[in-house]
Amino acid sequence: GESVGLHLPTLSVQEGDNSIINCAYSNSASDYFIWYKQESGKGPQFIIDIRSNMDKRQGQRVTVLLNKTVKHLSLQIAATQPGDSAVYFCAESSGGNKLTFGGGTRVLVKP
Amino acid sequence: DTEVTQTPKHLVMGMTNKKSLKCEQHMGHRAMYWYKQKAKKPPELMFVYSYEKLSINESVPSRFSPECPNSSLLNLHLHALQPEDSALYLCASSQEGGRQDQPQHFGDGTRLSIL
Repeated sequence: GESVGLHLPTLSVQEGDNSIINCAYSNSASDYFIWYKQESGKGPQFIIDIRSNMDKRQGQRVTVLLNKTVKHLSLQIAATQPGDSAVYFCAESSGGNKLTFGGGTRVLVKP
Repeated sequence: DTEVTQTPKHLVMGMTNKKSLKCEQHMGHRAMYWYKQKAKKPPELMFVYSYEKLSINESVPSRFSPECPNSSLLNLHLHALQPEDSALYLCASSQEGGRQDQPQHFGDGTRLSIL
């Protein structure tokens, strides 16, 4: 989701449960979307991407869903593990090498 | 481990100093980027180089000067920075210039502190 102010939205999830992270975008011309994971002290790490001609794409333990009608993107993580604890950013592009990032969501995995 | 290497990892400098941040990738990528990231915020695009030419400057102050000596290297020259410029500076690369549908791969950044 989008962050407001100085605090990141936080999703607390029990280890082994599934996580769903949501992202809203506003540019109807956006046609490429990507999710990144950023751990403390590191740069954003590519997780999965999706083009606007698709509504679902699966990777290893992750699924991205795109709903262009309501301009909504989500990342599902199956069987969440402690190593999944991080900040997750969605990003969108409408052209020319330029990505626009969402505000980020912190995921905390409880043992 | 990231395939985009940034040096130094940490940098402390005074407002009158001149320093440079360096970024290197050997993936054959032809687009390279500089981003600035403040705490608890998403990365903000500063510059894009496509085929070694500056293609995007997001109205960045002139105290930041990018340079792309070749397709593998990207520098960010810093001069007369302000305390508010303290941030994590991230470099990224992607396979082709001018393409919007390819992932950008990030380095782990340089943590910059301005005294």
